[in-house]
Amino acid sequence: NAGVTQTPKFRVLKTGQSMTLLCAQDMNHEYMYWYRQDPGMGLRLIHYSVGEGTTAKGEVPDGYNVSRLKKQNFLLGLESAAPSQTSVYFCGTSGGSSYEQYFGPGTRLTVT
Amino acid sequence: AQKVTQAQTEISVVEKEDVTLDCVYETRDTTYYLFWYKQPPSGELVFLIRRNSFDEQNEISGRYSWNFQKSTSSFNFTITASQVVDSAVYFCALSTNQAGTALIFGKGTTLSVSS
Repeated sequence: NAGVTQTPKFRVLKTGQSMTLLCAQDMNHEYMYWYRQDPGMGLRLIHYSVGEGTTAKGEVPDGYNVSRLKKQNFLLGLESAAPSQTSVYFCGTSGGSSYEQYFGPGTRLTVT
Repeated sequence: AQKVTQAQTEISVVEKEDVTLDCVYETRDTTYYLFWYKQPPSGELVFLIRRNSFDEQNEISGRYSWNFQKSTSSFNFTITASQVVDSAVYFCALSTNQAGTALIFGKGTTLSVSS
């Protein structure tokens, strides 16, 4: 029972490159989220999903795309990375508003 | 608008001191949930507590206690007899039924406890 896992843990990209971050959960939760954490800013919501096949924009969605083809996986894509996307990315999952949100260990992304 | 404000950016205390971390929230929803998370230097997010808007009872867990006051829209966190291991960033967060119940985080308070 791994909970929430994120792949990769670290990545360095050059400006303009693309990549996909994978979040996987084995908790059978409907809700999944992608946040980014920047110094002094707390965590901000990028995109979220309320179930398989559904996605929606959060507070800071520009430059990112997501997909939820399987209930247990939530992918975050950067089509053309920019230095402003240098951040730590956290995936979260929840059974609903009355439940705790569980987080993955984070992915540290640097765009040069 | 929904918002969480943690006005204290950094707090430094000496071991065994008591410390209170402030959290003020804004929401028009009548049903909402408040959370505290701890982020130690290792970087992971550790869940500490969840409180729903209909339960204003204070809670105590060991050296940790939480004071929820709807009248002032505050959900403050107190650590009694602080220890070096309490050094971390602490986040207060709010969840409603909007945005898929995603969390709205405050900017965090960095607590440094020295020996």
